[in-house]
Amino acid sequence: GESVGLHLPTLSVQEGDNSIINCAYSNSASDYFIWYKQESGKGPQFIIDIRSNMDKRQGQRVTVLLNKTVKHLSLQIAATQPGDSAVYFCAAFSGGSYIPTFGRGTSLIVHP
Amino acid sequence: NAGVTQTPKFQVLKTGQSMTLQCAQDMNHNSMYWYRQDPGMGLRLIYYSASEGTTDKGEVPNGYNVSRLNKREFSLRLESAAPSQTSVYFCASLGQLIYNEQFFGPGTRLTVL
Repeated sequence: GESVGLHLPTLSVQEGDNSIINCAYSNSASDYFIWYKQESGKGPQFIIDIRSNMDKRQGQRVTVLLNKTVKHLSLQIAATQPGDSAVYFCAAFSGGSYIPTFGRGTSLIVHP
Repeated sequence: NAGVTQTPKFQVLKTGQSMTLQCAQDMNHNSMYWYRQDPGMGLRLIYYSASEGTTDKGEVPNGYNVSRLNKREFSLRLESAAPSQTSVYFCASLGQLIYNEQFFGPGTRLTVL
């Protein structure tokens, strides 16, 4: 079955640095991916998504990169701010399914 | 437009007690979900409902029941709570498949003593 994992459980960066959070997926049929941000005590919040027909998608200060060859995606956050401190999840959808598989999450800690 | 709302926000139960977690969405979404989130683990799907009138088991359905009351509401019931059900519960809804953007509620923090 599908498994979605994150390489690092915790990432510590300095304010102003760029952050990169990684995610690997196992199902080659995965065709849609979402990154979520979850702040302490809150529900997950949609950040950015990408479809398998794309390699890169940019949002405001965030970029998602998809490498289908090695089944890997990453979330890049530019000029990381203390407000970016949170747990970040990736999620994968396969074959038009409406049930995603979530990774465990990476905790991003931004030091002022 | 409130998005996805959940009640209650916090609940403490004794082992064996029952309760119902309520969820409602005002986005006219067809699909709704119940997840639990435990420390150090990702979101695990308990039950989902692809449309009004249908429900299906997810990854961890034991000890839970659900009701899709109408298109807006999807409730989760614990008939006889156990300490292993101590968790944070999230309800989510999904719109058109082409967008696949799940909207999450704020969560219910449940403690079973």
